[in-house]
Amino acid sequence: GENVEQHPSTLSVQEGDSAVIKCTYSDSASNYFPWYKQELGKRPQLIIDIRSNVGEKKDQRIAVTLNKTAKHFSLHITETQPEDSAVYFCAASSTVFNKFYFGSGTKLNVKP
Amino acid sequence: NAGVMQNPRHLVRRRGQEARLRCSPMKGHSHVYWYRQLPEEGLKFMVYLQKENIIDESGMPKERFSAEFPKEGPSILRIQQVVRGDSAAYFCASSPGGSETQYFGPGTRLLVL
Repeated sequence: GENVEQHPSTLSVQEGDSAVIKCTYSDSASNYFPWYKQELGKRPQLIIDIRSNVGEKKDQRIAVTLNKTAKHFSLHITETQPEDSAVYFCAASSTVFNKFYFGSGTKLNVKP
Repeated sequence: NAGVMQNPRHLVRRRGQEARLRCSPMKGHSHVYWYRQLPEEGLKFMVYLQKENIIDESGMPKERFSAEFPKEGPSILRIQQVVRGDSAAYFCASSPGGSETQYFGPGTRLLVL
């Protein structure tokens, strides 16, 4: 099956700096890669996703890049704000195995 | 369009009792997934269901745990004879298709005393 690894497990940045979280996957059949943000005590919420037919996608301060050859994808948050502090999860999915494999999560702390 | 609903939000059980967790998917979604999350940990897949069918239960313990998604009504995750190690947050997610975006419910936080 698929194996998704996520790094780093914790990330601390100063407000206004950029944050980058990286994930790798093992199964070349994976073709859908969502990112979720989970605040303490709340549900995971989708913040951005990318499909394998594109290499990059942006939504305001958030961007995701995908390198299919190397089997890795990354979340980029620019101009970080304290409200960006949360745990971020990446996931990989495909029409072949029809379920999500989640990374272990990155706890992002944005210091004011 | 209401999101994914779960109830109860909090559930306290004593060891040996049964826990029933309910999940109503978003309107138009026929695929339901259950995940377990321990404190400070990630989301662990348990089971994937479509209406009246279990598609993948590879993440669910074979004993004491069962899940269903009947033709009418919510999906139910049932834990029999709960033990302290079952204490966790249980999240349900739904999607319109098997490999499409999953939307999560607010979770049920189970505490076993």
